Amino acid sequence: SAVISQKPSRDICQRGTSLTIQCQVDSQVTMMFWYRQQPGQSLTLIATANQGSEATYESGFVIDKFPISRPNLTFSTLTVSNMSPEDSSIYLCSATTPQSSYEQYFGPGTRLTVT
Amino acid sequence: GDSVTQMEGPVTLSEEAFLTINCTYTATGYPSLFWYVQYPGEGLQLLLKATKADDKGSNKGFEATYRKETTSFHLEKGSVQVSDSAVYFCALSAPGGGADGLTFGKGTHLIIQP
Repeated sequence: SAVISQKPSRDICQRGTSLTIQCQVDSQVTMMFWYRQQPGQSLTLIATANQGSEATYESGFVIDKFPISRPNLTFSTLTVSNMSPEDSSIYLCSATTPQSSYEQYFGPGTRLTVT
Repeated sequence: GDSVTQMEGPVTLSEEAFLTINCTYTATGYPSLFWYVQYPGEGLQLLLKATKADDKGSNKGFEATYRKETTSFHLEKGSVQVSDSAVYFCALSAPGGGADGLTFGKGTHLIIQP
């Protein structure tokens, strides 16, 4: 299994600013992903965080708005840039392990409110 | 593209009642199917999975069978407890799993009353 922590757990930000969310896994992982959960909605995949290369973004998400880094196997960051109230969501990090490629382990999420 | 449709809640049941949460999917090929659960104040946890047609996933008294002919993966439990109160998400990943992110349904809020 894998235990995933995220920082910060929540934040309130002003529009036009940026916030970087950190995701740390306690063991070696293979894939890392970032999701968004808008209020009352399901989880939507933002991108796959690739180690040492550019992230792979899903349709509707772009690197300029959601830059992602993954400098090593167990750490990734997601930045929400030039925020607007529509970015208010819970952002979740997930990962798979070499022992269980099918199971994704999720972090507790970062609750972002943009005013 | 791939999609998952599940019954929306809230679903309110009495303790010891029988539970069914419907889930159907649209995908090419043979995706892997999952049920995730989010207990109050906690993160998402994998409840059960099935990776090929006719597989049955089971855990904590919950079961779901991968039905290719009806593209369904309904979640069932014979006797629910108050501690089962949570939000349940049906999800799929592309065939082979692992390398792809998950496509989630909207989630079903389950409330079990004593």
